[in-house]
Amino acid sequence: NAGVTQTPKFQVLKTGQSMTLQCAQDMNHEYMSWYRQDPGMGLRLIHYSVGAGITDQGEVPNGYNVSRSTTEDFPLRLLSAAPSQTSVYFCASSQTGGRTDTQYFGPGTRLTVL
Amino acid sequence: AQTVTQSQPEMSVQEAETVTLSCTYDTSESNYYLFWYKQPPSRQMILVIRQEAYKQQNATENRFSVNFQKAAKSFSLKISDSQLGDTAMYFCAQIQGAQKLVFGQGTRLTINP
Repeated sequence: NAGVTQTPKFQVLKTGQSMTLQCAQDMNHEYMSWYRQDPGMGLRLIHYSVGAGITDQGEVPNGYNVSRSTTEDFPLRLLSAAPSQTSVYFCASSQTGGRTDTQYFGPGTRLTVL
Repeated sequence: AQTVTQSQPEMSVQEAETVTLSCTYDTSESNYYLFWYKQPPSRQMILVIRQEAYKQQNATENRFSVNFQKAAKSFSLKISDSQLGDTAMYFCAQIQGAQKLVFGQGTRLTINP
């Protein structure tokens, strides 16, 4: 069972470049989310989705776009990368996103913006 | 804003010892879940244990247990008979509202042989 998968594992970008981080889950979860992890700050929520066609902003959404066309996939787009977006990015999913749900995480993508 | 605080940036113990990681949180909700996640050097976030606020009994998963003090808003993790494989970052987290998982800053735990 694959669970939550993310690609790529590592990426280096130049300032101003664009890219898409991929996330997929095979657990038929309605809720998916993106977090970034910076040193000494834990994980912070970027965007989330409660189902196909529905997305909303988290704590640190600026500079990122998302869409959810299928239940399985939730890509994160950086339209014009900045050095401040250097971080480790985690995708997570849960059954509904409710307060009693457990979120399951992908392996992460380490992004460096030069 | 609701916050989760881990006051111990780093801890180090000898193998087979017991270690307790501290976590405090702030919430106005009456029912909620609290979580401890482990992040080894592989970066994978692994759920260790979870606790529902309505339950009086502290959660236990093999060598991992929690001390949940609801009135004090404290949620500590105890690791018994620690093993080298327990070396990792440990994050305390709480579901905020219905959708958002709020994390503490993490505690880096090292188990020495």
